[in-house]
Order: sequence, then structure tokens, then C-alpha cells
Amino acid sequence: GAVVSQHPSWVICKSGTSVKIECRSLDFQATTMFWYRQFPKQSLMLMATSNEGSKATYEQGVEKDKFLINHASLTLSTLTVTSAHPEDSSFYICSAVGDSFSYEQYFGPGTRLTVT
Amino acid sequence: DQQVKQNSPSLSVQEGRISILNCDYTNSMFDYFLWYKKYPAEGPTFLISISSIKDKNEDGRFTVFLNKSAKHLSLHIVPSQPGDSAVYFCAAKIISNFGNEKLTFGTGTRLTIIP
Repeated sequence: GAVVSQHPSWVICKSGTSVKIECRSLDFQATTMFWYRQFPKQSLMLMATSNEGSKATYEQGVEKDKFLINHASLTLSTLTVTSAHPEDSSFYICSAVGDSFSYEQYFGPGTRLTVT
Repeated sequence: DQQVKQNSPSLSVQEGRISILNCDYTNSMFDYFLWYKKYPAEGPTFLISISSIKDKNEDGRFTVFLNKSAKHLSLHIVPSQPGDSAVYFCAAKIISNFGNEKLTFGTGTRLTIIP
């Protein structure tokens, strides 16, 4: 149980275009999802917290107009990188917390974004 | 400001011996700590956790120790196996009543088990 999927697993896009990454909880309802990014050999940095039906809460320094997050249902959150630039190239990982009280976040497999 | 730190970026241990991974934190408000294992191009996998009201938690080959006064925790793996080779992250959070608290991750330690 507690499986989280991400799609796509990797994507290459041209500079200036937008890319959407999906995060799905497959066997549970996720009231909260988190979006992280990881640069090579660095820690996972939280970008934003997404609660179903409400606006995402962004961490300091993360541009909310550039990284659009939508949590339209209890099983799906999307991250859209708008007007992507090469410096947005990174590994994006989502996690989800179920609607029952749980201390553990369940992570997706991640999405490798390369902007050329 | 790195609130959770793992000062050893890498560690090599002989198979069968004990692996000890260390983690320090600065925020005294953290009251729950977790260890995750991560392979390249994959998401982290939860290993073991500990509440701040405890000083030890054990699960099979994995034991986590917490020293609140020193703001230090460690993960012991014994005996170490080749499949344990991965990057290990410690993470911390502040518990609320909602169960949806954000995690603050350390920088990771790459563990290599030598056969």
C-alpha cells in the first residue's frame, strides 16, 4: 500500500516552454502533497505544500508564478514549470500524506527535467 | 540555513560490519525524526523513525538513536549488506495535530558496502 506515482519519469523540453508533472497517490487519498527538487549531490529542498482544494503554500525563495501547483483531487497534484530555463533542470519529487493520521510521507519515484 | 546536517557525505563499510550514519540538527522545535534511503533517480524510501520522547528505536537490522541534548541522531545498520549501498537522508519535522507536517532533509550520506 501507499504507492505514489509520478509522470513523466523524465522529460526534455526547450527553453521557454512549460512542462507539467503529475503526482498521483494510487491506493490512498492524499490530503496533502509536497513538492521537492533535488540538485545533483544535494539535499531534497521543499518547494511547496499542496493541500487538496486550496492554494499551495510555497517555501521562501520559490516563485509561485513559475512553479504552478494544482491539487484538484485527493489523488492528484500537478506541478507546472512555466517558461522553463536551463537552471530549472533538476530532479523533482513529490510526496503524499494520507487522510489518516500518519507520520510518514510516501514519495514518488521522481521526474528528471532537462531544459535545453 | 541548513537546519539538518549530515557532515559525512560518504561512508564505506565492510560487508557484515556495522554502518553508523550521523545527523545533527539545530532547530530544538523538531520532535520527530526519520531516516530515508534513496537510490539514484528514485524517490526516497522510508526506513525508520523516532519520536523525541524516545532515545532509541529498533527495527530489524536498523536502529536509530536520538540524543536530544546534543541535537544528534544516528542510524545503525548491522550487519551491513551490499543492498544497503545507497544515499541515506535524515529528516526532521515538528508534529502538529494534522499529520501533514513538512520535512526538513539533511544533505545525505552515500553509504557503500564493500563485499
